[in-house]
Amino acid sequence: GPKVLQIPSHQIIDMGQMVTLNCDPVSNHLYFYWYKQILGQQMEFLVNFYNGKVMEKSKLFKDQFSVERPDGSYFTLKIQPTALEDSAVYFCASSPGRRANERLFFGHGTKLSVL
Amino acid sequence: GDSVTQTEGPVTLSEGTSLTVNCSYETKQYPTLFWYVQYPGEGPQLLFKVPKANEKGSNRGFEATYNKEATSFHLQKASVQESDSAVYYCALRRASNTNKVVFGTGTRLQVLP
Repeated sequence: GPKVLQIPSHQIIDMGQMVTLNCDPVSNHLYFYWYKQILGQQMEFLVNFYNGKVMEKSKLFKDQFSVERPDGSYFTLKIQPTALEDSAVYFCASSPGRRANERLFFGHGTKLSVL
Repeated sequence: GDSVTQTEGPVTLSEGTSLTVNCSYETKQYPTLFWYVQYPGEGPQLLFKVPKANEKGSNRGFEATYNKEATSFHLQKASVQESDSAVYYCALRRASNTNKVVFGTGTRLQVLP
């Protein structure tokens, strides 16, 4: 079935540095999401994105976070600068449209370790 | 705002026993309700969804009924297997300007052989 690819699967970075997490969503999907999951805890919504704009973001989506999807390329989550509490698995998801009955397709996640 | 509340885990069962994971939701409109399952090292994947009130969804022996009056969507399975060990998320989605999908906290299920 359709797949969301996340690159890399694991990223190790020093605190204060910048990191970009890449997501290749399903090809005809228009709505994109990032979720954060700290080890052993629930998955928490960060942001959703459509037509080049952030539609909604949570309190977890700090000023140091940004998202974009330049035409035809990855949907990215950038963190600049990183902090220790940013260590988590970040899941990207996409959806073809905005209808309530449409499911989200998730990637396998990028594990971010901030040292 | 919208919210989803589900059974706190972990839930530990022996193979062959029955499972119930409670899920309650709050929303202003009529959502579609979902159960997602997350296996270790993977992202959540859809187990099944129910877009209409008073209908039942099912997959792989799991089922849940969209109870609009009780605002509930409890997950059940008559006989669990070791391979069902995973985290289960109840979620809702409704048509809105922001198109947000709201997940519950997840319930970790461990099935012992």
